[in-house]
Order: sequence, then structure tokens, then C-alpha cells
Amino acid sequence: DGGITQSPKYLFRKEGQNVTLSCEQNLNHDAMYWYRQDPGQGLRLIYYSQIVNDFQKGDIAEGYSVSREKKESFPLTVTSAQKNPTAFYLCASSTGGENEQYFGPGTRLTVT
Amino acid sequence: GQQLNQSPQSMFIQEGEDVSMNCTSSSIFNTWLWYKQDPGEGPVLLIALYKAGELTSNGRLTAQFGITRKDSFLNISASIPSDVGIYFCAGQNRETNAGKSTFGDGTTLTVKP
Repeated sequence: DGGITQSPKYLFRKEGQNVTLSCEQNLNHDAMYWYRQDPGQGLRLIYYSQIVNDFQKGDIAEGYSVSREKKESFPLTVTSAQKNPTAFYLCASSTGGENEQYFGPGTRLTVT
Repeated sequence: GQQLNQSPQSMFIQEGEDVSMNCTSSSIFNTWLWYKQDPGEGPVLLIALYKAGELTSNGRLTAQFGITRKDSFLNISASIPSDVGIYFCAGQNRETNAGKSTFGDGTTLTVKP
């Protein structure tokens, strides 16, 4: 079955710790994306990558970092510099260009 | 940057009623997408529109790509309880926002049995 997986579904961390969220896809998609969603709000783009070994900042990249060493993987690190990290994080992928994005199931991160 | 206004913000309807929601943009898009998100899950693609004026259906759902390329509409006919969720529109324009989608803030739909 092709799709996008995110793990874990729920993640708890203490303030001041870095945490890495996993995103894997077996759709052979070139482009991958990370979004943040806060309660009652829409999706805000954190980072995106259109090809391996390349990525660009989205609208709210501060306090986050990514890597794209493999086509199928796009991990997101939430650093201690992120002032308000508690949120629902969504990963997506697409074939690129103006094509539809497909989303993973999301990771809910809680930092206390 | 591009702005997307999605309305209404929320809707409370009776089962069996039809639903309409729309998105308007300050600039043109080449692609419009409509997604549905269930609580605690990722959005699922419902309908993709690629051409101005295009009208596309997916079961009880119908979406249209506005002629001006600055708006899109989603209609749900004969709503059922499982239609509950958040509906998002998204627009894309390769020339002005390569590789990225602009999302609306969502319409939360509640269906009363």
C-alpha cells in the first residue's frame, strides 16, 4: 500500500529539548512538506522540499530544521528555540508543481 | 503573499440539508483543491480542479473552479452525519508560488441527526 506515514502519533517532551518528527512516503513523490496546525486554525507551512538535498523555508520556519537526504524521508526537528512548539504537525507529499498534496495522519506534539 | 478567504467559518445543519462553502483569493490560481479533515487526522483530498470554469463531482460533492480563477465553491448535497469535519480549500500558482499551496482557514461542518 502506498502512502505517507508519520510517527509517532503522539509525542510528549519537556521544554528545552529538541525533538524530531518522522515522515516517510513510498509514493515516489519528489516534493514533501511540513505544516503546523493549531486548534481551530488552518495549515501553516514550515518547510518544503521539491527535490532531494534541497529545501526551502515556509512561512513559519523559525525554531525548526529539516533534512532531505533521501527521496522518501523528510524529518522535522523542533528545536528548543521554537517558542510555542505544542501543536499538530502534518507532513504531505506531491509529485511537484501544481499537483495535489497528500497528507500523513499527523503527529500531535505536546511540550510542557 | 497570497490571501485566501474561506467562508463560512462554521456551519450547523440538519441531516439531509445541502451545504455550500467557498473560497476567494486576492490573486489568481491555476489549481484549486478541496480537502476534508476528520478530528485528529490528516486532511484527505476530495476534489482537484485544474481549469477555470471546471465543475467536478465526487459522489454528493461538487466543486467549481471560478471563471475569474480567484474563487472556488464546494457543495455537499443531502448531508449525512459522517460529513462532519473541517473542509479546507487550497490554491496553487506555479508562477507566483512555485511548489507551494495556499490554504484557507477551513469551514467546520456540524451535522445534526
